[in-house]
Amino acid sequence: SQTIHQWPATLVQPVGSPLSLECTVEGTSNPNLYWYRQAAGRGLQLLFYSVGIGQISSEVPQNLSASRPQDRQFILSSKKLLLSDSGFYLCAWGRQGAYEQYFGPGTRLTVT
Amino acid sequence: QKEVEQNSGPLSVPEGAIASLNCTYSDRGSQSFFWYRQYSGKSPELIMFIYSNGDKEDGRFTAQLNKASQYVSLLIRDSQPSDSATYLCAVNPSFSGGYNKLIFGAGTRLAVHP
Repeated sequence: SQTIHQWPATLVQPVGSPLSLECTVEGTSNPNLYWYRQAAGRGLQLLFYSVGIGQISSEVPQNLSASRPQDRQFILSSKKLLLSDSGFYLCAWGRQGAYEQYFGPGTRLTVT
Repeated sequence: QKEVEQNSGPLSVPEGAIASLNCTYSDRGSQSFFWYRQYSGKSPELIMFIYSNGDKEDGRFTAQLNKASQYVSLLIRDSQPSDSATYLCAVNPSFSGGYNKLIFGAGTRLAVHP
């Protein structure tokens, strides 16, 4: 069976500090990978998606970036956090050719 | 116009009743429709998907799709307090460039009271 991990689970960071969130998937190969952000009481905003190693597409221009150094690893980064970056960050995976997406447990980020 | 619309709720139903959650979408070319359940503070969990017009049943859950009217519904029979959560509707855009993207609604909060 497939499992998706995210860490850390929670994070409190000061404005202007860097960010690195990691997501890994087990039990499948060549998955589509997605990063979403959910602000408090809001819907899911797609940030980045990837169909393969090194292939990243950005959905919303902002001070965040994503990388996929390995087939089942997806990283979300920022060089300098803003207050508006606070939220619940969710990684999801899906099979190639399928629309179903399965979410990881998420990282709750608070920028102070 | 929002691409996927849901009533934010809360939808309050008594235990044992049928909860009816609705979602409308704007893209007539959409072919795949999903319902996710999200408990407070947790990540979304896929509970149903439907691709064809009509009904699809899975246990206490029934998804209903009407492409002509561009709406999809989720019925929860014999609602339990444990069903209290936010339900997210998701739809694939007709053009996603092969990336299998989904567009999510903001969700409907369901509260089942004993």
